[in-house]
Amino acid sequence: DAKTTQPNSMESNEEEPVHLPCNHSTISGTDYIHWYRQLPSQGPEYVIHGLTSNVNNRMASLAIAEDRKSSTLILHRATLRDAAVYYCILIGGGGSNYKLTFGKGTLLTVNP
Amino acid sequence: GAVVSQHPSRVICKSGTSVKIECRSLDFQATTMFWYRQFPKQSLMLMATSNEGSKATYEQGVEKDKFLINHASLTLSTLTVTSAHPEDSSFYICSASNRGGEQYFGPGTRLTVT
Repeated sequence: DAKTTQPNSMESNEEEPVHLPCNHSTISGTDYIHWYRQLPSQGPEYVIHGLTSNVNNRMASLAIAEDRKSSTLILHRATLRDAAVYYCILIGGGGSNYKLTFGKGTLLTVNP
Repeated sequence: GAVVSQHPSRVICKSGTSVKIECRSLDFQATTMFWYRQFPKQSLMLMATSNEGSKATYEQGVEKDKFLINHASLTLSTLTVTSAHPEDSSFYICSASNRGGEQYFGPGTRLTVT
């Protein structure tokens, strides 16, 4: 499985935007970029995913580099409830491999 | 989004006993379910992949005779930790995948073995 690299931790202030980076230099052409987050003592929660184009949903935006070797999850206005570990995961687009390999993720701290 | 439940949410058992954890997809049929384990301050580690009606596929290093997985229907998978020991104490999380491949996670089960 292609590997992703994320910073161990990041800090933000409430109401400010947060940009969470992810490097995936060995991504293959059919790999989708998925983001999940995990709040303390809970199961992971799907945030967003994309292939080539930037994506927006009610939770966040995903900006994907033109060469697809990196991506950035954007939380437009961080709230205290966004404090979580954010995981960037590549999933093969072949339709049969849906195993998720979780790295260490980025621990996001949001200051009031 | 789709809902996946786990039962129990937390369980305490004595060393040597067995514990069963249920994972249910409440509003969709899950062709595949996954079981993860997470130790404190660590990431999730995939234990096994479970397909309805067939044997589970275990990840390397996971003992299939100790962690029994049954996926008897499209909405239910169970994980039984047999002869539990204190080192099996962990946070166990399941996820369910629909035909589109999207995964939905359960809230997790905190197992403590005394």
